[in-house]
Amino acid sequence: EAGVTQSPTHLIKTRGQQATLRCSPISGHTSVYWYQQALGLGLQFLLWYDEGEERNRGNFPPRFSGRQFPNYSSELNVNALELEDSALYLCASFQDSGNTIYFGEGSWLTVV
Amino acid sequence: EDKVVQSPLSLVVHEGDTVTLNCSYEVTNFRSLLWYKQEKKAPTFLFMLTSSGIEKKSGRLSSILDKKELFSILNITATQTGDSAIYLCAVWSEKLVFGKGMKLTVNP
Repeated sequence: EAGVTQSPTHLIKTRGQQATLRCSPISGHTSVYWYQQALGLGLQFLLWYDEGEERNRGNFPPRFSGRQFPNYSSELNVNALELEDSALYLCASFQDSGNTIYFGEGSWLTVV
Repeated sequence: EDKVVQSPLSLVVHEGDTVTLNCSYEVTNFRSLLWYKQEKKAPTFLFMLTSSGIEKKSGRLSSILDKKELFSILNITATQTGDSAIYLCAVWSEKLVFGKGMKLTVNP
């Protein structure tokens, strides 16, 4: 069974540009979480999508947005990129809240 | 606001040592506590704890939860260099909240 897959693995953008990151959850999982992990820091909660709806949002500015598609895959969009957006972006999927979540390998975003 | 605090934030030990990692939490509507190990990129699942006092074991790793005192510990016995990683604690309430992680370095 395939795990959580993310693309691209690495992405380099310049300040002011937009980045789009993608995530495919484990088959049968309807919920997707996005986290940001800056170098040396913990996981900061970004967004939670479930059944196509945004369920919860972390303390990030509106230029961080996303969506979930009917097949439960998800996109994270970051507009007007800033240098401090450089980080590892992790996607995780799960079936029911309260249970184990499974992470993808992450997408490294570098803003120069 | 929900809070998960891990301590210590980093630890350096020698192979063969035993380590204890702490995780305390303050959340509304606690549902479960999860431990993960992060080596390079993707955190990998270690344990999920929902009931107090029931130890979960996997090889040299074990974990227990105290819902009265609001904390959990992760023990690693006979540490090996392969145990070097960041260990993450997370708590489910209305969403899954992670602590900052604990960086463990095991030297030969």
